[in-house]
Amino acid sequence: AQTVTQSQPEMSVQEAETVTLSCTYDTSESDYYLFWYKQPPSRQMILVIRQEAYKQQNATENRFSVNFQKAAKSFSLKISDSQLGDAAMYFCGGSQGNLIFGKGTKLSVKP
Amino acid sequence: DTGVSQNPRHKITKRGQNVTFRCDPISEHNRLYWYRQTLGQGPEFLTYFQNEAQLEKSRLLSDRFSAERPKGSFSTLEIQRTEQGDSAMYLCASSFGGGRNTNEKLFFGSGTQLSVL
Repeated sequence: AQTVTQSQPEMSVQEAETVTLSCTYDTSESDYYLFWYKQPPSRQMILVIRQEAYKQQNATENRFSVNFQKAAKSFSLKISDSQLGDAAMYFCGGSQGNLIFGKGTKLSVKP
Repeated sequence: DTGVSQNPRHKITKRGQNVTFRCDPISEHNRLYWYRQTLGQGPEFLTYFQNEAQLEKSRLLSDRFSAERPKGSFSTLEIQRTEQGDSAMYLCASSFGGGRNTNEKLFFGSGTQLSVL
């Protein structure tokens, strides 16, 4: 079985500042993949970043990076230089077979 | 528009009626996923197909739900004898992937919002 837990229902960040969203992924498997998806008010899910569990190097995509701590089952998303367009729901997901998601974190960006 | 298309965008039905949703994936994608999302929750996995084969189905999915993907192209999700608890956004996603795990980027549609009165 696999579970994804996001413990922060809401987060807020000032424009241009940095924010970190938390996620834990619990699985008994060693081969899996981790994702962060963004869901703006339009409700269309968009991939932000992906991490392969067997890779020690943390994934980065422009202003988005992850801190993957496999032993701690932690997979946090850091957004640098936050922009107004980053405001959305963020879902952490894990894939051991199919892809499942956590309950999400609502990110607000203050101008 | 070459993205994932879902129809209808909205569906209002009375309890006990049957409803069917359609998803047209990106044409070269071999995998197709169905998720259900209620307000304030993350998308909940329902089922997924690789080509025309239904590879996995959530244990949470009651027997009132059935999905098909004939010929490995579009997919339909049918809910029989709808209940008020079925009210949710139904999301479809497609991808091009292989292997046991979903390791590739999923492309999501805009969803079908179902309201059961």
